[in-house]
Amino acid sequence: NAGVTQTPKFQVLKTGQSMTLQCAQDMNHEYMSWYRQDPGMGLRLIHYSVGAGITDQGEVPNGYNVSRSTTEDFPLRLLSAAPSQTSVYFCASGSPGTSSLVAETQYFGPGTRLLVL
Amino acid sequence: AQSVTQPDIHITVSEGASLELRCNYSYGATPYLFWYVQSPGQGLQLLLKYFSGDTLVQGIKGFEAEFKRSQSSFNLRKPSVHWSDAAEYFCAVGGTTSGTYKYIFGTGTRLKVLA
Repeated sequence: NAGVTQTPKFQVLKTGQSMTLQCAQDMNHEYMSWYRQDPGMGLRLIHYSVGAGITDQGEVPNGYNVSRSTTEDFPLRLLSAAPSQTSVYFCASGSPGTSSLVAETQYFGPGTRLLVL
Repeated sequence: AQSVTQPDIHITVSEGASLELRCNYSYGATPYLFWYVQSPGQGLQLLLKYFSGDTLVQGIKGFEAEFKRSQSSFNLRKPSVHWSDAAEYFCAVGGTTSGTYKYIFGTGTRLKVLA
C-alpha cells in the first residue's frame, strides 16, 4: 500500500514550458486534490475531484488544468509555466466518514518542488 | 469570508515544556476543524479532527485540541513536548459552500524544540 505518490520530486522549467505533475493513490479514494504551498501562505487549494470524470476549481485554479479519468490518478497540468508558479505542490486523497464532508481525512503525497525560471 | 488564522509564525519551547498553538477561524456554518503536522521535506499528516460532540478531541502523538465556539478557536495542546515534535503545524477548516467543497488552511506555525 503505497498511499499517495507524486512524480517528479523536483522539476525546473523555463517560462512558457508545459508539464504535468503526476499523482496516484492506491486507497480507492473518491476525493483527490491539488494544493500549492508557498512561504507564509500555507496551503492553497488549486483543483479537486470527487470522483472519476468530476473536477472543480479551488481557490487558485488559474494556469492549471486537471482531469480525472480513473479513480487512482489525478494529474495536474501547467500549460504555460510562469515564475509565479514556482512552488511546492502537494496532492492529497481522502475518504468520507460520518460527517457530510467528502473527505474527512486527507492523505498527502510527499510533494513536488517546481522552479520556473 | 471564510478564513483560518494562526497568529504565531514561530514558537520555541524547551523539551518537556507544555505547548499551545493557536488557531482562530471564520466560517459561516458549523465548521469541520483539523490540525495537520508537516515534518521537513514531507507531506502533511493529520493529527486530529473535530466535527461535533465533545469539544476536547484527542489525536495522535499525544496532542489534543479544544473547540471553543464562543471564541471561534481550535487550539492545539501538548502537555510535554518532545524533540521529535519540531515541525510545522497547520490548522484547517473544511466544509461545503453552495455545493463546493472547501478546505482552508492557515499559514502554519513552525515549532522549534530546544534540548
